[in-house]
Amino acid sequence: DAGVTQSPTHLIKTRGQQVTLRCSPKSGHDTVSWYQQALGQGPQFIFQYYEEEERQRGNFPDRFSGHQFPNYSSELNVNALLLGDSALYLCASSLAAVFFGDSPLHFGNGTRLTVT
Amino acid sequence: KNEVEQSPQNLTAQEGEFITINCSYSVGISALHWLQQHPGGGIVSLFMLSSGKKKHGRLIATINIQEKHSSLHITASHPRDSAVYICAVRSGQTGNQFYFGTGTSLTVIP
Repeated sequence: DAGVTQSPTHLIKTRGQQVTLRCSPKSGHDTVSWYQQALGQGPQFIFQYYEEEERQRGNFPDRFSGHQFPNYSSELNVNALLLGDSALYLCASSLAAVFFGDSPLHFGNGTRLTVT
Repeated sequence: KNEVEQSPQNLTAQEGEFITINCSYSVGISALHWLQQHPGGGIVSLFMLSSGKKKHGRLIATINIQEKHSSLHITASHPRDSAVYICAVRSGQTGNQFYFGTGTSLTVIP
């Protein structure tokens, strides 16, 4: 049973560039959330996708956008990269709270993004 | 002010010691999660609870909804318990968003 997989594991980009990160949820999960974790900090919620729509969004600018595909996998896109976007980006999958109530989060190992 | 506060931020213990990590939150919640993060980033869900107490092996998690407080206890700590422990809550108010504490970095010395 494959858990949450993220790609790539590491990425180096230049300020102003665009980046796409990918996430495949745990088998059977239909909800994907994205988080940004700066060094020494807890994860910060970016947004959550369910049924191919963004359902909730944290306090992140429009440069951060996403997509969910019919197979429940998801992408996180960041445009016009800033140095401050350097962080570990985590994807977590779960079952839809609206139907199943709270369910445990399953996290991927993250993508380490470095912006130079 | 963060919606979730953890203490202590850093903790060093001798192998075998009893460890307590505390979490306080300020929002109404539907559930509280305790997570474990090892170096390299991978996060593992330890507990999800909305009331009372849960136990798994040497780990015990408790929550007091009225006081908006939760504790994670580790009995007979072991060096392999060394990790960052993160408290996260799912808000029952702001669209069911998750809020995370900044984590407690635990080092258990043999």
